[in-house]
Amino acid sequence: GQNIDQPTEMTATEGAIVQINCTYQTSGFNGLFWYQQHAGEAPTFLSYNVLDGLEEKGRFSSFLSRSKGYSYLLLKELQMKDSASYLCAVPHNTDKLIFGTGTRLQVFP
Amino acid sequence: EPEVTQTPSHQVTQMGQEVILRCVPISNHLYFYWYRQILGQKVEFLVSFYNNEISEKSEIFDDQFSVERPDGSNFTLKIRSTKLEDSAMYFCASSEQVGQGAYEQYFGPGTRLTVT
Repeated sequence: GQNIDQPTEMTATEGAIVQINCTYQTSGFNGLFWYQQHAGEAPTFLSYNVLDGLEEKGRFSSFLSRSKGYSYLLLKELQMKDSASYLCAVPHNTDKLIFGTGTRLQVFP
Repeated sequence: EPEVTQTPSHQVTQMGQEVILRCVPISNHLYFYWYRQILGQKVEFLVSFYNNEISEKSEIFDDQFSVERPDGSNFTLKIRSTKLEDSAMYFCASSEQVGQGAYEQYFGPGTRLTVT
């Protein structure tokens, strides 16, 4: 089966850097997604990792270690609009997404 | 940029009534999904659909649920006899392909279903 763990809540200050961790146990591995979800809205795609290492995309970066079953999302130069939930998800059977509970990030001025 | 659309944005219904939630996936996408999110909980997979048939469904997707692609553009989720616990946000999603690779799923804005 699949199991995904993320911290429930995090807080950070505008301009700071924050790292959101995700650990997973899966039967088979077809990559890992990070989605952003603002309250009451749909999840929107942030990143996809299938190989070990860091993928950088502007202010957001995502890291994967397959041997450790671990990923993190790094957000730099935080802005107020980054206050949202960040969802770690793994595809199962190459098809459906299994989501973690999400990490609710609050950015304060 | 192409997007997934859903109607209605909010549906209120009485327990036992039938509801149909509608989605228009991105036009060149071949794989369609429904997910739900109960308030304050995680996003949960309901069903995936490809080539006019269900490819996988979860335990939640019991006989009260059905999906259909009645024409070339719409994808619907029907709940035959709603229960209070069906109250949730329902998201439709679509993807171009599946398999290993960055085949992200694009989510629609959701339909908030409230069963009273």
